[in-house]
Amino acid sequence: DVKVTQSSRYLVKRTGEKVFLECVQDMDHENMFWYRQDPGLGLRLIYFSYDVKMKEKGDIPEGYSVSREKKERFSLILESASTNQTSMYLCASSFPTTSPGQGRLDVYEQYFGPGTRLTVT
Amino acid sequence: GIQVEQSPPDLILQEGANSTLRCNFSDSVNNLQWFHQNPWGQLINLFYIPSGTKQNGRLSATTVATERYSLLYISSSQTTDSGVYFCAPSGGYQKVTFGIGTKLQVIP
Repeated sequence: DVKVTQSSRYLVKRTGEKVFLECVQDMDHENMFWYRQDPGLGLRLIYFSYDVKMKEKGDIPEGYSVSREKKERFSLILESASTNQTSMYLCASSFPTTSPGQGRLDVYEQYFGPGTRLTVT
Repeated sequence: GIQVEQSPPDLILQEGANSTLRCNFSDSVNNLQWFHQNPWGQLINLFYIPSGTKQNGRLSATTVATERYSLLYISSSQTTDSGVYFCAPSGGYQKVTFGIGTKLQVIP
């Protein structure tokens, strides 16, 4: 079974703090993703990575950065947390359906971690 | 990007009833997943179904890619089916788009 774990289920931070959210997968997946989920907005992609040290912006990258130093681990960093970053953060991983360099990349089946509910006060 | 519409947005069922959830998408897709988000927030994979029909117990799903829709059928619903159901199509280059979901409540 695929397992995706996230470092915390619940996190409370103060405005201006630097926040690290960690995600680890054990299936040797190339792709990893960070989403945030807010009521009425569904899941929105923040960043994704298709290989170690590779990253690409998603739909809402502002205020976030990421790090992928090892294949199994993908970190989301809030450089200076703000109250509008209070949200549910979900990490996912997948195999790609084609390899980078062959043009079109696509997403195979995604598997999600349990989520981190972050509150910024 | 792809626009995704899920219907109905909310659904209340008596235990044992059947239901159909619909997902319309605006563009051609290569992949499509259905997820169930339980009350604790965990997204559980139900189906990976870019086309055709699949069945898993009381659940089945059909995607008609040429007509840009997918359906999720839940038969003999149980209280444990409660939660939010998401459709997530992907049209290429790692971009998966999520609908805002159908919130299902199954009452005993």
